[in-house]
Amino acid sequence: EVQLLDSGGGLVQPGGSLRLSCAASGFTFTSYAMSWVRQAPGKGLEWVSGVFGSGDITSYADSVKGRFTISRDNSKKTVYLQMNGLRGEDTAMYYCAKDLSPRDGIFDSWGQGTLVTVSS
Amino acid sequence: QLVLTQSPSASASLGASVKLTCTLSSGHSNYPIAWHQQQPEKGPRYLMKLTSDGSHTKGDGIPDRFSGSSSGAERYLTISSLHSEDEADYYCQTWGTGIWVFGGGTKLTVL
Repeated sequence: EVQLLDSGGGLVQPGGSLRLSCAASGFTFTSYAMSWVRQAPGKGLEWVSGVFGSGDITSYADSVKGRFTISRDNSKKTVYLQMNGLRGEDTAMYYCAKDLSPRDGIFDSWGQGTLVTVSS
Repeated sequence: QLVLTQSPSASASLGASVKLTCTLSSGHSNYPIAWHQQQPEKGPRYLMKLTSDGSHTKGDGIPDRFSGSSSGAERYLTISSLHSEDEADYYCQTWGTGIWVFGGGTKLTVL
């Protein structure tokens, strides 16, 4: 059974930093791209960043480019999202998501989410 | 530019059927999509992958009441015999070169 366990959220001041983690199990981790998706209060889902299986190819939404960094440790089956220069508009629930297959960017599994609040 | 468009809201009566629509932007009509359900105060749940020819592959445990179909650039989610727990937000999702994209979501109200 695929499991994704999100953690690392919390309250942080504007301009601060936070690192989110997503611990994966139940599938061949290195074969799948992984993404972070967020949802601001009362809003829809927004893709934030993705990293392919090898970890050497990453992609970011324009809203976070230059401030967030995604990475993965395949030995630990964990994906990270380093968030720097946090702003109020980054306040959201952050979810980890797994691709359906190595060639298919459909999300077929979700973490439970971790809440990030940016406020002074 | 790869964009998914959904109506903001829909409603239908308990026990009835409803058909939700997701429209792919021009030039992307052959893209597959996913449908995801998000019940109130819960995280998203994968429902199915839906291709341009209408074939769909559902996630584990998704009831037969949920089905998908396609026509051109439109992708549909049909929910039959509506239950109260089907009241939720429904999002379509796809991907392109280095990007993953969501529609704005449809809030379904079961009357």
